[in-house]
Amino acid sequence: DTEVTQTPKHLVMGMTNKKSLKCEQHMGHRAMYWYKQKAKKPPELMFVYSYEKLSINESVPSRFSPECPNSSLLNLHLHALQPEDSALYLCASSPAVAGARETQYFGPGTRLLVL
Amino acid sequence: QKEVEQNSGPLSVPEGAIASLNCTYSDRGSQSFFWYRQYSGKSPELIMFIYSNGDKEDGRFTAQLNKASQYVSLLIRDSQPSDSATYLCALKTDSWGKLQFGAGTQVVVTP
Repeated sequence: DTEVTQTPKHLVMGMTNKKSLKCEQHMGHRAMYWYKQKAKKPPELMFVYSYEKLSINESVPSRFSPECPNSSLLNLHLHALQPEDSALYLCASSPAVAGARETQYFGPGTRLLVL
Repeated sequence: QKEVEQNSGPLSVPEGAIASLNCTYSDRGSQSFFWYRQYSGKSPELIMFIYSNGDKEDGRFTAQLNKASQYVSLLIRDSQPSDSATYLCALKTDSWGKLQFGAGTQVVVTP
């Protein structure tokens, strides 16, 4: 089973709202990722968690705040977003981070619209 | 120069024909290579991964890797309309989590 789940599927929020995206996997993977994908562009890495610790932050603005409460769960807290943050937010997981052969599996994504 | 280059397409392929997708990369230290398929509005789905030079076959898909030429390709045999999607080439250059993606090639299979 290579399933990564994400909720909600769609989210509309105003620039003053606070919302959270949730990602879950039960494959025993110890690495989890957040990506942002704009239309007709490839995914862009935002954050990497390895063994529940943040290991990579790709200079993402502080209005995006990741959290990894346990090895199965990854959250992305959103606050004071801008319209240009509207995108498909993808979560992925892999068995581990270290190792060139670790394969990442993507969840279905959350489509975010910021008004 | 982009790190991972793909033709954006669209690549138009008659049903039943072979679709050939190419990907070149600049970092000779790249260690592992992945092909993802992405339908419009959906998330990327892993199709193939390849680490060693040569060919790797899985059903109708064959990945080919030539590290000396810094080139990886994906062949789709007996193309079906359901293969119409964007195909993303991705690679890892180090032991950490960062995947480098190409811009993707859009494939359109025509009945």
